[in-house]
Amino acid sequence: AAGVIQSPRHLIKEKRETATLKCYPIPRHDTVYWYQQGPGQDPQFLISFYEKMQSDKGSIPDRFSAQQFSDYHSELNMSSLELGDSALYFCASSTRLQETQYFGPGTRLLVL
Amino acid sequence: GQQLNQSPQSMFIQEGEDVSMNCTSSSIFNTWLWYKQDPGEGPVLLIALYKAGELTSNGRLTAQFGITRKDSFLNISASIPSDVGIYFCAGRTETSGSRLTFGEGTQLTVNP
Repeated sequence: AAGVIQSPRHLIKEKRETATLKCYPIPRHDTVYWYQQGPGQDPQFLISFYEKMQSDKGSIPDRFSAQQFSDYHSELNMSSLELGDSALYFCASSTRLQETQYFGPGTRLLVL
Repeated sequence: GQQLNQSPQSMFIQEGEDVSMNCTSSSIFNTWLWYKQDPGEGPVLLIALYKAGELTSNGRLTAQFGITRKDSFLNISASIPSDVGIYFCAGRTETSGSRLTFGEGTQLTVNP
């Protein structure tokens, strides 16, 4: 079965640079979620979108923004990167009706 | 916000043994999910629970949604080496929208 696709899988950036992470949800899933997982931590919710509209917002820094496009894929844009932004970033998708979230393989971001 | 207390933090067992882990909260949850995460990978959904008292199995895994709606447990029977990984509970309350709150995780090690 098709799963959530994330790209890139690994990303290395310098401080103050920008990064764009992409997420392609499972086909026919209309809701995407972004989570951040620091080393040894549990995933923390950042933001979610339903039908291209922001549906919920968690602990997402103002330096980050995200959107969902007409094909339901989503992008997380991160600017003025800081060392503390180094983490695994996961995208999850679901249908609005069931809301069971299926996670992608993640993007490992390293900020030097 | 909601907080999930997951225990134990880590377990070291012999192959063939049964394992039990649980999550508790002071908040009432309407959904409990159990995920397994391998290093550097995304959480993989194991079992989803939607009703108080619900008991669901997936192969050697069994999970229950507590009657009080404040807890859930996961049992693994006859463990095998590939069960190694981090197990997370995650839940959603009536006030948390669609975002998931995760427990701190249980690191399982299975000795052959």
